Amino acid sequence: AQTVTQSQPEMSVQEAETVTLSCTYDTSESDYYLFWYKQPPSRQMILVIRQEAYKQQNATENRFSVNFQKAAKSFSLKISDSQLGDAAMYFCAYRTSYGGSQGNLIFGKGTKLSVKP
Amino acid sequence: ETGVTQSPTHLIKTRGQQVTLRCSSQSGHNTVSWYQQALGQGPQFIFQYYREEENGRGNFPPRFSGLQFPNYSSELNVNALELDDSALYLCASSYRAGTYNEQFFGPGTRLTVL
Repeated sequence: AQTVTQSQPEMSVQEAETVTLSCTYDTSESDYYLFWYKQPPSRQMILVIRQEAYKQQNATENRFSVNFQKAAKSFSLKISDSQLGDAAMYFCAYRTSYGGSQGNLIFGKGTKLSVKP
Repeated sequence: ETGVTQSPTHLIKTRGQQVTLRCSSQSGHNTVSWYQQALGQGPQFIFQYYREEENGRGNFPPRFSGLQFPNYSSELNVNALELDDSALYLCASSYRAGTYNEQFFGPGTRLTVL
């Protein structure tokens, strides 16, 4: 079974600085998707960025980028120029590409990010 | 375009009771997935409905059941509530096409079991 591990329960960053959130996962599959979701106090889960395992190029969305190391099964999120609105819980998630339930997102326990003004 | 909505926002039940949570999927979406998020944890997959049929289930007992309606809205029913069922219940809708279908989450229903 696939597992997702986030080893940093809490992180803190100064406004305008850069922070990196860590995620490791375990799977025997070769093709899959990885995601970072943001959950603010409003509770609504928002997709930040996704990475297809077959793509070697790291995904980037504006200030958010990932470092995807497939062999090491590592998927970290870098937030550049941190803003107060980035403060939230961040969840790393895995999803298989293969048949069966395509809704089965497997989440880590999350990292609470605080942004200091 | 209307996003995913859930009702109610909060509710309180007592152990042994039954509860029904509702989810309206985003316009154009045909798939709904339900997740349970206990306090301090990441969401856990309960099950998914596609075209009114259950299409995959996580490690949850049969007292967790669901429905999907012709308009693709969905219900999650939990019978014989236990204290450990206290959690945030999230639904996510998507349009199933190909191998990738982005899930859009609702704001969740906070269930407290006393």
